[in-house]
Amino acid sequence: DQQVKQNSPSLSVQEGRISILNCDYTNSMFDYFLWYKKYPAEGPTFLISISSIKDKNEDGRFTVFLNKSAKHLSLHIVPSQPGDSAVYFCAAIPLSFSGGYQKVTFGIGTKLQVIP
Amino acid sequence: GAGVSQTPSNKVTEKGKYVELRCDPISGHTALYWYRQSLGQGPEFLIYFQGTGAADDSGLPNDRFFAVRPEGSVSTLKIQRTERGDSAVYLCASSANTGREQFFGPGTRLTVL
Repeated sequence: DQQVKQNSPSLSVQEGRISILNCDYTNSMFDYFLWYKKYPAEGPTFLISISSIKDKNEDGRFTVFLNKSAKHLSLHIVPSQPGDSAVYFCAAIPLSFSGGYQKVTFGIGTKLQVIP
Repeated sequence: GAGVSQTPSNKVTEKGKYVELRCDPISGHTALYWYRQSLGQGPEFLIYFQGTGAADDSGLPNDRFFAVRPEGSVSTLKIQRTERGDSAVYLCASSANTGREQFFGPGTRLTVL
């Protein structure tokens, strides 16, 4: 049972355009969401996150939007660059009262290709 | 380097053999996680250490899998009687005690023939 769903396995975007990666979740206990980026033969690297008390978080070219009622979040990359080509994982952490323990549930990833 | 390191980067073994995968977390990070990533899937949680103790091993698939972190730093994931279905990339991550961001190593690609 996939609690974090990324329904688009791949996405191709022209350089300079906007990339929109989508993610849906089913567990109402999730209260913190992250996006990780992964290049081949490397581990995932943290990109951006958002707490459930917010609906938007922006960091440079990257913006994450959260719609709690729809249990949906999206990552916007604008403008897209060829170096953004990678697999993007959506991840979620449940509300936790035990400090320091963050059990992360990942989606299966979306492979983004930015075409020069 | 200051990042998480994992050795070996690749491991090929035969069905039924025993393997050990090593993780060196970022210095000072008390939390350490192991994940398994199968082809076409996202990382799947295996086990979490806080210091030397395994605080949550609910993700270990069966008793062939075991992990230790005897001194609260380096961790070893041990797989007994390997099966072809164990083939995957095994990722290690560490985080500061109160950090939500986990820092991943490059992974060990395990192939069981």
